[in-house]
Formats: sequence, C-alpha cells, structure tokens
Amino acid sequence: EAQVTQNPRYLITVTGKKLTVTCSQNMNHEYMSWYRQDPGLGLRQIYYSMNVEVTDKGDVPEGYKVSRKEKRNFPLILESPSPNQTSLYFCASSLRQGAGMSQGTEAFFGQGTRLTVV
Amino acid sequence: KNQVEQSPQSLIILEGKNCTLQCNYTVSPFSNLRWYKQDTGRGPVSLTIMTFSENTKSNGRYTATLDADTKQSSLHITASQLSDSASYICVVRGPSGGYQKVTFGIGTKLQVIP
Repeated sequence: EAQVTQNPRYLITVTGKKLTVTCSQNMNHEYMSWYRQDPGLGLRQIYYSMNVEVTDKGDVPEGYKVSRKEKRNFPLILESPSPNQTSLYFCASSLRQGAGMSQGTEAFFGQGTRLTVV
Repeated sequence: KNQVEQSPQSLIILEGKNCTLQCNYTVSPFSNLRWYKQDTGRGPVSLTIMTFSENTKSNGRYTATLDADTKQSSLHITASQLSDSASYICVVRGPSGGYQKVTFGIGTKLQVIP
C-alpha cells in the first residue's frame, strides 16, 4: 500500500530535549516536505527536499533541521524544542515536479505527529 | 503576497443536502489548484487537482470548478453524508519550472448532521 508513515503519532517532551520525528514513504517519490498545522493558521511549510541531499527552507524553518540521506526518509529534527513548537506536524511526498506536470506537490500526506513541548 | 482565502470558515448542513465551498486566491502566475479533505487529527487527502486550463473536475460526489480569470474555485458536495464531516483545504501552486511555491488556505470546517 502506498503511504507516508510518520512516527511517533503522539509525543510529549520537555523544553530543550532534542527529538526526531521520522517520515518514510514507499512510493519512490523524490519530493518530500514537512508542515506544521496550528489552529487558525492552516498548514505552513517548514522544510522541503527536492531529492537526496537537496533540502531547503520553507516558510517557518526556525528551530528545525532536516536531512535527506536516502530517498525514502526525511526526518525532522528539533535540536532544542520550545513550547511554541507545540503543534500538529505533517510529512508529505510526491513525484518530482516539472514543467507541464499536473500532479504537483503534496500529493500524499502522513497521518500526523502531535507534539507537545512543556 | 500570495494568498488563498476560503469561505465560509465553518458550515453545518443536514445529511443529504448539497453544499458549496469557496476558494479565492491571488497566487500569480498560477499552475494548479488542489482541494484536500482533512478528517480531524488526520493527514489531508487529495480530492481533485485542476490546472489553469481546466474548468471542472469531479471525484464521486465532489465537483470542483475553477475560474482562472477571476481566480476563484469552488468545491460542490452533492447528497452529503455524515462521513463528509471534515475540513476542506484549498491549495494553490505558483509558476511552473523549478520549485513551485504552494500556498494553503486555512480551510472550511464542514459538519454534516443527521
């Protein structure tokens, strides 16, 4: 079954304690991205990756890191979490975009990770 | 600044009724527009995607329309079911070639009641 898998689904942590949220896709997609979703603000992009070893900042990258060492995995790293990073996080993947393609980005989303930083 | 605005913010309808959700955007140039359905606490699921040359796209009881001239899109749900209760998110992509900026609307929260 084609899917994007995030782990963990729920996480409560303390301020300053480094954590990693994993994301894996089994569709051989080149493009992957991370979003956070907060009430009244909708989905906002944190980081994205066009391919292995190619990553770039989205709209709200502060306080986050990512890596893309292999095509299927795109972990999100919070080196020193703070309470304002309490949010619902989504990983997404899609085929590589190009001129004329209609599929576009963000075709498949993971089930989400609800993070609480106290 | 590119924006995507959706209306209404929330909507309650009776099971079996139809409804229409609106999406207005200022993203320009425009590449494509996608509607997602998001159940509470779950990841968004794509319903339809339309390029600037398409006026309408259907997926079962969901029909999306697009007017690229006025930069408006709508999502029509026919014969609503309780399982249609969810948030519906409009997403617009920017120009073609290279990385394409994606702008999300905040969504319309739909509740279908018996």
